[in-house]
Amino acid sequence: KNEVEQSPQNLTAQEGEFITINCSYSVGISALHWLQQHPGGGIVSLFMLSSGKKKHGRLIATINIQEKHSSLHITASHPRDSAVYICAVSGNQFYFGTGTSLTVIP
Amino acid sequence: DGGITQSPKYLFRKEGQNVTLSCEQNLNHDAMYWYRQDPGQGLRLIYYSQIVNDFQKGDIAEGYSVSREKKESFPLTVTSAQKNPTAFYLCASSIPPAGPEAFFGQGTRLTVV
Repeated sequence: KNEVEQSPQNLTAQEGEFITINCSYSVGISALHWLQQHPGGGIVSLFMLSSGKKKHGRLIATINIQEKHSSLHITASHPRDSAVYICAVSGNQFYFGTGTSLTVIP
Repeated sequence: DGGITQSPKYLFRKEGQNVTLSCEQNLNHDAMYWYRQDPGQGLRLIYYSQIVNDFQKGDIAEGYSVSREKKESFPLTVTSAQKNPTAFYLCASSIPPAGPEAFFGQGTRLTVV
Protein backbone atom coordinates (compact mmCIF):
# COMPACT_ATOMS: atom_id res chain seq x y z
CA LYS A 1 0.00 0.00 0.00
CA ASN A 2 1.33 3.44 -0.91
CA GLU A 3 1.29 6.00 1.85
CA VAL A 4 0.85 8.77 -0.74
CA GLU A 5 -1.49 8.48 -3.71
CA GLN A 6 -1.66 10.98 -6.54
CA SER A 7 -4.22 11.40 -9.26
CA PRO A 8 -4.33 11.54 -12.14
CA GLN A 9 -1.19 9.67 -13.13
CA ASN A 10 -1.12 11.43 -16.51
CA LEU A 11 -2.80 14.63 -17.60
CA THR A 12 -2.96 16.42 -20.93
CA ALA A 13 -4.40 19.92 -21.15
CA GLN A 14 -4.78 22.69 -23.67
CA GLU A 15 -2.89 25.90 -23.01
CA GLY A 16 -4.94 28.18 -20.80
CA GLU A 17 -6.86 25.45 -19.01
CA PHE A 18 -7.22 25.26 -15.24
CA ILE A 19 -5.47 22.15 -13.91
CA THR A 20 -5.91 20.26 -10.65
CA ILE A 21 -3.67 17.50 -9.33
CA ASN A 22 -4.74 15.63 -6.23
CA CYS A 23 -2.78 14.00 -3.43
CA SER A 24 -4.12 11.80 -0.63
CA TYR A 25 -2.03 10.39 2.20
CA SER A 26 -2.59 7.86 4.93
CA VAL A 27 0.10 8.69 7.50
CA GLY A 28 0.39 11.39 10.11
CA ILE A 29 2.35 14.29 8.73
CA SER A 30 4.03 17.46 9.83
CA ALA A 31 4.10 18.96 6.33
CA LEU A 32 3.22 18.27 2.72
CA HIS A 33 5.42 19.24 -0.22
CA TRP A 34 4.74 19.75 -3.90
CA LEU A 35 7.74 19.21 -6.15
CA GLN A 36 8.20 19.79 -9.89
CA GLN A 37 10.50 17.79 -12.14
CA HIS A 38 10.99 18.68 -15.81
CA PRO A 39 11.91 15.84 -18.21
CA GLY A 40 15.56 14.98 -17.67
CA GLY A 41 15.81 17.75 -15.14
CA GLY A 42 16.18 18.22 -11.43
CA ILE A 43 13.71 18.74 -8.64
CA VAL A 44 12.23 22.14 -7.78
CA SER A 45 10.32 22.63 -4.55
CA LEU A 46 7.08 24.46 -5.24
CA PHE A 47 5.31 24.49 -1.90
CA MET A 48 5.61 23.30 1.67
CA LEU A 49 2.27 23.25 3.49
CA SER A 50 1.12 22.32 6.96
CA SER A 51 -2.30 23.96 6.77
CA GLY A 52 -4.53 26.09 4.60
CA LYS A 53 -3.50 27.43 1.25
CA LYS A 54 -0.47 28.95 -0.46
CA LYS A 55 -0.20 30.80 -3.76
CA HIS A 56 2.80 31.51 -5.93
CA GLY A 57 2.12 33.10 -9.27
CA ARG A 58 -0.24 30.82 -11.21
CA LEU A 59 0.19 27.97 -8.75
CA ILE A 60 -2.04 27.37 -5.75
CA ALA A 61 -1.69 24.58 -3.22
CA THR A 62 -4.26 23.64 -0.61
CA ILE A 63 -4.32 21.10 2.17
CA ASN A 64 -7.12 19.64 4.27
CA ILE A 65 -5.53 18.00 7.29
CA GLN A 66 -8.76 16.37 8.48
CA GLU A 67 -9.36 14.72 5.12
CA LYS A 68 -5.65 14.01 4.52
CA HIS A 69 -5.85 15.55 1.10
CA SER A 70 -4.03 18.22 -0.87
CA SER A 71 -4.54 19.74 -4.28
CA LEU A 72 -2.20 21.60 -6.60
CA HIS A 73 -3.92 23.97 -9.01
CA ILE A 74 -2.39 25.63 -12.04
CA THR A 75 -4.32 28.53 -13.50
CA ALA A 76 -3.93 29.60 -17.13
CA SER A 77 -1.69 26.63 -17.89
CA HIS A 78 1.24 27.08 -20.27
CA PRO A 79 3.40 24.60 -22.18
CA ARG A 80 6.31 25.40 -19.85
CA ASP A 81 4.23 23.90 -17.02
CA SER A 82 4.72 20.49 -18.66
CA ALA A 83 6.52 18.43 -16.05
CA VAL A 84 6.05 15.72 -13.47
CA TYR A 85 4.51 16.98 -10.23
CA ILE A 86 5.32 14.99 -7.11
CA CYS A 87 3.53 15.11 -3.78
CA ALA A 88 5.64 14.28 -0.71
CA VAL A 89 4.79 14.22 2.97
CA SER A 90 6.98 14.56 6.04
CA GLY A 91 5.99 12.19 8.80
CA ASN A 92 8.43 10.06 10.74
CA GLN A 93 10.16 9.95 7.37
CA PHE A 94 9.43 11.26 3.88
CA TYR A 95 6.91 9.50 1.68
CA PHE A 96 6.55 10.31 -2.01
CA GLY A 97 3.78 9.88 -4.53
CA THR A 98 4.69 8.41 -7.90
CA GLY A 99 4.02 11.69 -9.63
CA THR A 100 1.58 13.20 -12.12
CA SER A 101 2.91 13.72 -15.61
CA LEU A 102 1.42 16.92 -17.05
CA THR A 103 1.58 17.87 -20.72
CA VAL A 104 0.22 21.25 -21.77
CA ILE A 105 -0.42 21.54 -25.49
CA PRO A 106 -0.14 24.94 -27.20
CA ASP B 1 20.41 32.20 1.22
CA GLY B 2 20.15 28.88 2.98
CA GLY B 3 19.68 25.81 0.89
CA ILE B 4 20.75 22.35 -0.08
CA THR B 5 23.17 21.81 -2.94
CA GLN B 6 23.78 18.65 -4.90
CA SER B 7 26.59 18.37 -7.36
CA PRO B 8 27.06 17.65 -10.11
CA LYS B 9 23.67 17.82 -11.84
CA TYR B 10 24.73 15.21 -14.44
CA LEU B 11 27.40 12.57 -13.92
CA PHE B 12 28.75 9.89 -16.21
CA ARG B 13 30.90 6.97 -15.05
CA LYS B 14 32.24 3.76 -16.47
CA GLU B 15 30.88 0.48 -15.19
CA GLY B 16 32.87 -0.88 -12.25
CA GLN B 17 33.95 2.50 -10.92
CA ASN B 18 32.85 3.88 -7.58
CA VAL B 19 31.35 7.35 -7.71
CA THR B 20 30.53 9.83 -4.94
CA LEU B 21 27.60 12.22 -5.11
CA SER B 22 27.80 15.39 -3.08
CA CYS B 23 25.07 16.85 -0.86
CA GLU B 24 25.73 19.98 1.20
CA GLN B 25 23.31 22.06 3.26
CA ASN B 26 23.77 25.31 5.16
CA LEU B 27 20.41 25.16 6.91
CA ASN B 28 21.71 23.71 10.19
CA HIS B 29 19.46 20.70 9.64
CA ASP B 30 20.14 17.62 11.73
CA ALA B 31 18.56 15.09 9.38
CA MET B 32 19.67 14.31 5.83
CA TYR B 33 18.41 11.73 3.35
CA TRP B 34 19.26 10.10 0.03
CA TYR B 35 16.63 8.84 -2.38
CA ARG B 36 16.78 7.09 -5.73
CA GLN B 37 14.33 7.48 -8.60
CA ASP B 38 14.07 5.12 -11.57
CA PRO B 39 12.17 6.03 -14.74
CA GLY B 40 8.42 5.93 -14.16
CA GLN B 41 8.83 5.06 -10.49
CA GLY B 42 8.60 6.87 -7.18
CA LEU B 43 11.48 7.89 -4.95
CA ARG B 44 12.93 5.22 -2.67
CA LEU B 45 14.99 5.74 0.47
CA ILE B 46 18.64 4.67 0.29
CA TYR B 47 20.15 6.01 3.53
CA TYR B 48 19.34 8.61 6.13
CA SER B 49 21.17 10.31 8.97
CA GLN B 50 19.59 12.02 11.93
CA ILE B 51 22.78 13.25 13.59
CA VAL B 52 26.46 13.58 12.81
CA ASN B 53 28.42 10.32 12.80
CA ASP B 54 25.26 8.24 12.64
CA PHE B 55 23.25 6.90 9.71
CA GLN B 56 20.75 4.15 8.95
CA LYS B 57 19.96 2.05 5.93
CA GLY B 58 16.80 2.71 4.02
CA ASP B 59 14.86 0.39 1.76
CA ILE B 60 17.50 -0.02 -0.97
CA ALA B 61 20.89 0.46 0.71
CA GLU B 62 22.69 -2.43 -0.98
CA GLY B 63 25.55 -1.24 -3.16
CA TYR B 64 25.67 2.21 -1.54
CA SER B 65 27.64 3.77 1.30
CA VAL B 66 27.44 7.09 3.11
CA SER B 67 29.27 9.13 5.72
CA ARG B 68 28.19 11.95 7.99
CA GLU B 69 31.38 13.49 9.40
CA LYS B 70 29.98 17.00 9.31
CA LYS B 71 26.46 18.28 9.89
CA GLU B 72 26.52 20.10 6.57
CA SER B 73 27.55 17.20 4.38
CA PHE B 74 26.13 13.78 3.55
CA PRO B 75 27.96 12.28 0.56
CA LEU B 76 26.65 9.13 -1.12
CA THR B 77 29.03 6.65 -2.75
CA VAL B 78 27.63 4.40 -5.43
CA THR B 79 29.89 1.37 -5.36
CA SER B 80 30.65 -1.15 -8.08
CA ALA B 81 28.45 -3.59 -6.13
CA GLN B 82 25.34 -1.62 -7.11
CA LYS B 83 23.95 -3.64 -10.02
CA ASN B 84 21.88 -0.90 -11.67
CA PRO B 85 23.40 2.43 -10.67
CA THR B 86 21.97 4.52 -13.51
CA ALA B 87 19.24 6.61 -11.87
CA PHE B 88 18.25 10.01 -10.53
CA TYR B 89 19.48 10.66 -6.97
CA LEU B 90 17.84 13.16 -4.64
CA CYS B 91 19.14 14.53 -1.35
CA ALA B 92 16.90 16.09 1.30
CA SER B 93 17.35 17.63 4.73
CA SER B 94 15.00 18.54 7.54
CA ILE B 95 14.68 19.68 11.13
CA PRO B 96 13.57 17.71 13.07
CA PRO B 97 13.81 14.41 11.15
CA ALA B 98 11.18 14.52 8.39
CA GLY B 99 9.80 17.56 10.16
CA PRO B 100 7.90 20.56 8.87
CA GLU B 101 11.01 22.40 7.72
CA ALA B 102 12.33 20.27 4.90
CA PHE B 103 14.30 21.09 1.79
CA PHE B 104 15.19 19.08 -1.30
CA GLY B 105 18.23 19.30 -3.54
CA GLN B 106 17.84 19.56 -7.28
CA GLY B 107 19.11 16.02 -7.79
CA THR B 108 21.97 14.31 -9.62
CA ARG B 109 21.35 12.23 -12.72
CA LEU B 110 23.93 9.43 -12.81
CA THR B 111 24.56 7.46 -15.97
CA VAL B 112 26.87 4.46 -15.89
CA VAL B 113 28.11 3.25 -19.26
